[in-house]
Amino acid sequence: GAGVSQTPSNKVTEKGKYVELRCDPISGHTALYWYRQSLGQGPEFLIYFQGTGAADDSGLPNDRFFAVRPEGSVSTLKIQRTERGDSAVYLCASSPAGGSYNEQFFGPGTRLTVL
Amino acid sequence: ILNVEQSPQSLHVQEGDSTNFTCSFPSSNFYALHWYRWETAKSPEALFVMTLNGDEKKKGRISATLNTKEGYSYLYIKGSQPEDSATYLCALSYNTDKLIFGTGTRLQVFP
Repeated sequence: GAGVSQTPSNKVTEKGKYVELRCDPISGHTALYWYRQSLGQGPEFLIYFQGTGAADDSGLPNDRFFAVRPEGSVSTLKIQRTERGDSAVYLCASSPAGGSYNEQFFGPGTRLTVL
Repeated sequence: ILNVEQSPQSLHVQEGDSTNFTCSFPSSNFYALHWYRWETAKSPEALFVMTLNGDEKKKGRISATLNTKEGYSYLYIKGSQPEDSATYLCALSYNTDKLIFGTGTRLQVFP
């Protein structure tokens, strides 16, 4: 079956611009997660959705970052006034029901480069 | 701050060699440990989810052990093949859903 998909696969933008990154989770998965991996680091948690609501947004670095999941399926991560430090691979994952013990299924990521 | 450490950072082995790497983590309030394999340009792929002290799991030539009391897990690859070349990530979950990742071990297997 179809896995988690993310679009675009690569995004190059200029400092100060607005970007949107899209995640299509596995059909039926209620939990959706966003992580980002900066160069030389492991993936870092950004936000977790259970259904339509953000259950934990403690990883969002500042108010330039916002994410939505209006119908409990597709999610969009939005970054305003991008900075060079936002350059990273943004990973999305989904899980059937959430929970610490459940496997998270990852997409291939969006590589964001801010010039 | 919860710190998950992986060692070594990178590893180069010959085809046929067996290898292992380590994930160390704070043991208090531990819930689960996840191992992922991440090949370049692909999605991270889950290998194991481990929860119990003394757990051992195996998938083909790859196996993992878990010691929650002392806070470490080992991942073993027997008879490494070039297709095993990837970054191996360890991630912990405590009493929340989010995963806390280590920086990974990059394995390169030469034919």
